[in-house]
Amino acid sequence: ETGVTQTPRHLVMGMTNKKSLKCEQHLGHNAMYWYKQSAKKPLELMFVYSLEERVENNSVPSRFSPECPNSSHLFLHLHTLQPEDSALYLCASSQDSAGGYNEQFFGPGTRLTVL
Amino acid sequence: GQNIDQPTEMTATEGAIVQINCTYQTSGFNGLFWYQQHAGEAPTFLSYNVLDGLEEKGRFSSFLSRSKGYSYLLLKELQMKDSASYLCAVRDSNYQLIWGAGTKLIIKP
Repeated sequence: ETGVTQTPRHLVMGMTNKKSLKCEQHLGHNAMYWYKQSAKKPLELMFVYSLEERVENNSVPSRFSPECPNSSHLFLHLHTLQPEDSALYLCASSQDSAGGYNEQFFGPGTRLTVL
Repeated sequence: GQNIDQPTEMTATEGAIVQINCTYQTSGFNGLFWYQQHAGEAPTFLSYNVLDGLEEKGRFSSFLSRSKGYSYLLLKELQMKDSASYLCAVRDSNYQLIWGAGTKLIIKP
């Protein structure tokens, strides 16, 4: 257990569906992240939040919409996805978003399949 | 562009030693991380190097040469549970992590 939980663990959705991924961290961290992990590819950083404010958005399509209501919770809202969006979506948290040692703690991920 | 290179797959024998290399070209450098990821699980932190030299932590050691843009992870006394992917990541000038694609390590009895 890393102190970061994600739900659901698996999700299958059609291209016209709307769904949300949830992440919660119990570590008292100030920064939270969404990553996309595809087979045999590097982790792709999608969004970074620091103290509930978005500080990074790496040219992610608008069909992915993040929400950070407080420093412990992070959501990723999904709508009209494409089959190539099928991947493992990982949430992570760290004490801060910059500086110092700042190790990231990862959740177990949501395995998303878009039909 | 920014790039992290590491071998796709390596095989080693239980009880042996294996070295996983990582080379990087990034815009700035603010530390290098190694993570372990078992299949279907979250990546977990192994080591952090920001200065040149060797950091030892039990059976695992990590080395950094900033002038060469090079790091390695050394695993000693390999155990079957060490079968996993090992991810190298560099924190750039914007303090964002740039990740390698990972090295899948297969341990054979």
